[in-house]
Amino acid sequence: DARVTQTPRHKVTEMGQEVTMRCQPILGHNTVFWYRQTMMQGLELLAYFRNRAPLDDSGMPKDRFSAEMPDATLATLKIQPSEPRDSAVYFCASGLALIRGQGLYTEAFFGQGTRLTVV
Amino acid sequence: DQQVKQNSPSLSVQEGRISILNCDYTNSMFDYFLWYKKYPAEGPTFLISISSIKDKNEDGRFTVFLNKSAKHLSLHIVPSQPGDSAVYFCAATPKDNNNDMRFGAGTRLTVKP
Repeated sequence: DARVTQTPRHKVTEMGQEVTMRCQPILGHNTVFWYRQTMMQGLELLAYFRNRAPLDDSGMPKDRFSAEMPDATLATLKIQPSEPRDSAVYFCASGLALIRGQGLYTEAFFGQGTRLTVV
Repeated sequence: DQQVKQNSPSLSVQEGRISILNCDYTNSMFDYFLWYKKYPAEGPTFLISISSIKDKNEDGRFTVFLNKSAKHLSLHIVPSQPGDSAVYFCAATPKDNNNDMRFGAGTRLTVKP
């Protein structure tokens, strides 16, 4: 049963602390996304990788957020220092690169999310 | 800048009736659209999609309609069932970057028995 695995499921931390969220994409998928869900913005795209290389991280606050893929089985999203406004649910998703010629697309598969609370 | 908009945060429908969820987009470069469904404490799951070369795609009880000139799409669920109660997200990707998937804020659908 292939699925995207995210850890931890819940994290409560104090303002100023470092937070690291981890994601194990589905084996064989070559694209990994990080999204943040907030009440106002819905699902915001933070960053995504193709074949472990970052393609776009323009959605992330660069001064405090960083995303990496140390290997094909692990993606990380780090916040340092964390702030109360970072409180949200962070989703990782993986998928296969799309072939557009005939309008085909492979949807992204989401993990269960990490609920982050910064107090 | 919210490029994908779902203006109705919630919708309540009686079981057996039709549910219509709406989505508008502003970026004319979007050419592939998807609907995701999300239950509490779970990640979103893919439901149905449509390419800009079509104006309708049907999958069982779910149909997505695309009106390119109005930059509008809608998801119809007929007949609605209590198990359809969830948050539905509309998403879109542009021609030049199929991985740049943008989501709307979501609409919470409640189907009453």
